[in-house]
Amino acid sequence: QQQVKQSPQSLIVQKGGISIINCAYENTAFDYFPWYQQFPGKGPALLIAIRPDVSEKKEGRFTISFNKSAKQFSLHIMDSQPGDSATYFCAASGDPGGSQGNLIFGKGTKLSVKP
Amino acid sequence: DGGITQSPKYLFRKEGQNVTLSCEQNLNHDAMYWYRQDPGQGLRLIYYSQIVNDFQKGDIAEGYSVSREKKESFPLTVTSAQKNPTAFYLCASKEQGWTGELFFGEGSRLTVL
Repeated sequence: QQQVKQSPQSLIVQKGGISIINCAYENTAFDYFPWYQQFPGKGPALLIAIRPDVSEKKEGRFTISFNKSAKQFSLHIMDSQPGDSATYFCAASGDPGGSQGNLIFGKGTKLSVKP
Repeated sequence: DGGITQSPKYLFRKEGQNVTLSCEQNLNHDAMYWYRQDPGQGLRLIYYSQIVNDFQKGDIAEGYSVSREKKESFPLTVTSAQKNPTAFYLCASKEQGWTGELFFGEGSRLTVL
C-alpha cells in the first residue's frame, strides 16, 4: 500500500512531441505528489508538485494531471526538447503516522528526446 | 550558496572494508536522508533523521549505519556487512513535515573492487 508504481520505465520522444509519464498509488493518506528530474551523475531536483485539491497544475511546458478517484497522476512535457532528456521520478507522501511522512518514490522513467 | 555537499564523489573500496560517506548541509534543515540508487530500482531509503541525535531505519538499513551529532551533518557508513554495496548514494534534506522540497546532494558513487 506504500508503493508508487511508475510507467513506462523508458520513453523515447521526438523533439517537439509530448512526453507522458504515469504514476499510480494505493495509500489514500497520500496528499502531496511531487515530480523530480535527475540528470546523469547528479542528484534529483524538484520539478513540479501538486496537492489533491486541484486536478491540474502547469508550470511552463510541464503539467501534472491528478485523478483522485483513480489514484493516478501523470506528468506531461509539452514541446519536448533534447535538454529534457533525464530520468523522472514521481513520488508521494502524506501523514500516515509511522513513516513520518517520508516521500515514497516511483522507480523512475528514463526519457530520451531525439533531435 | 546554500546546499548539500557530499564527499567523496567517487570511492573505491575493497571487500571487507568499512567506508564513510560525508553529507553536510547549510540549509538549516531539520530532516536529513540517505538514499541508495541502483539502475531500475528508483530511490530506496536507507536511514533518515528528523532531529539531532535521533535517526530511524529506512527500507534497506541492513549493512549501513549513521550518526547525527550536528544538525548540519549526517554521515553514512557502509559496513562490510552490506552484501552488495556498489551503488550511487544520495543525501537529502528538507524542512520538517510531509510536504516541501527535498534537496539532494550530487551523490557519491561507491564501487567495491
